[in-house]
Amino acid sequence: DGGITQSPKYLFRKEGQNVTLSCEQNLNHDAMYWYRQDPGQGLRLIYYSQIVNDFQKGDIAEGYSVSREKKESFPLTVTSAQKNPTAFYLCASRRGTGISNQPQHFGDGTRLSIL
Amino acid sequence: AQKITQTQPGMFVQEKEAVTLDCTYDTSDPSYGLFWYKQPSSGEMIFLIYQGSYDQQNATEGRYSLNFQKARKSANLVISASQLGDSAMYFCAMREGDNFNKFYFGSGTKLNVKP
Repeated sequence: DGGITQSPKYLFRKEGQNVTLSCEQNLNHDAMYWYRQDPGQGLRLIYYSQIVNDFQKGDIAEGYSVSREKKESFPLTVTSAQKNPTAFYLCASRRGTGISNQPQHFGDGTRLSIL
Repeated sequence: AQKITQTQPGMFVQEKEAVTLDCTYDTSDPSYGLFWYKQPSSGEMIFLIYQGSYDQQNATEGRYSLNFQKARKSANLVISASQLGDSAMYFCAMREGDNFNKFYFGSGTKLNVKP
């Protein structure tokens, strides 16, 4: 079955530590996204990528970094500069960058907490 | 200003009845798309229905329909014949203009279906 796989499901970060969240898709989608969700709130865009080796900052990119070396993979690193990283992180992909009615497909999310 | 506003933090509905979840949006761009997603307690986001700004008819997908009132900038989700499995968070989202990678999400509505 095609889909988006996020790992790990739960992640704990120590102070001053960088952690990387994995996102892999086998949908052959061009665009990929990372969102952050805080309790009782909607999704906020961290980074997105339309093609391999290219990505753009979203609304809350500070303290995060990404890479897009392969079409299937879009890992997110939460750096020590992100002072409030505790949140639910969702990865998404979308088939075409120029197709208006295509929805985003989401993974199951990673819940990140501070130790 | 908020791009997407969902004014109902929580809603209750009796099983088998219909329920309307409100969504208003703010954009000056004539081209936009509106999406509704369901998020069960497990966390994944499930795409439900799409309405394009140029679509002449209200969108329908099975038990889901969209009450699209363009002049009022509202795109309310109607769920008919509610089921216990419909209990979840529901998010309205908007893709604005030609930036097919920028989606704005509302804060969500928690729907509880009572047996």
